[in-house]
Amino acid sequence: EAGVAQSPRYKIIEKRQSVAFWCNPISGHATLYWYQQILGQGPKLLIQFQNNGVVDDSQLPKDRFSAERLKGVDSTLKIQPAKLEDSAVYLCASSARGTSGGWGETQYFGPGTRLLVL
Amino acid sequence: AQSVTQLGSHVSVSEGALVLLRCNYSSSVPPYLFWYVQYPNQGLQLLLKYTSAATLVKGINGFEAEFKKSETSFHLTKPSAHMSDAAEYFCAVRAQGAQKLVFGQGTRLTINP
Repeated sequence: EAGVAQSPRYKIIEKRQSVAFWCNPISGHATLYWYQQILGQGPKLLIQFQNNGVVDDSQLPKDRFSAERLKGVDSTLKIQPAKLEDSAVYLCASSARGTSGGWGETQYFGPGTRLLVL
Repeated sequence: AQSVTQLGSHVSVSEGALVLLRCNYSSSVPPYLFWYVQYPNQGLQLLLKYTSAATLVKGINGFEAEFKKSETSFHLTKPSAHMSDAAEYFCAVRAQGAQKLVFGQGTRLTINP
């Protein structure tokens, strides 16, 4: 079974530029998550999708970040314009059923996209 | 609100020694607890999880953790460290009824030859 795929793996941009990350979850997984992991910290949830609907985006900086999962499969996370403090690893994860699968359901993570904003 | 505290941002042990990584949680409702491992330039991989069944949970690579409600702890242990265990370890909590998985700050484990 293929894992969660993410691209690009690395990205360097200048502040005020825009950037987009792509994620393809494990086939058949209903729930997709985007996390931000700043160096030296644990991952922080940015947004959670159940199929193509948003379940939780309370920690997404909506003035500059946006995400979509139009067909309930792959997803794109965009930052526009980027700030220095956006430098981080952006992790995508998926789970089979989300909350309907129970609170102990495992989330499977992709390798992440490392973003450096100069 | 739920939260996780990992005691010690960096732990160093000798190869063959006991590994003990500490995790304490805060949750007003019964929690589900997870340990993930992250190798350099990779995503997170599940080591083990507690989902209200047995309090002693066995995971991959010889790791295990014990849920202690009275101490609000879920410490990760391995009897004998191997060089390949060097990585970052994250404890995470998800309370019943909560959408979100909340991670601790992580503990970097170094193995000395």
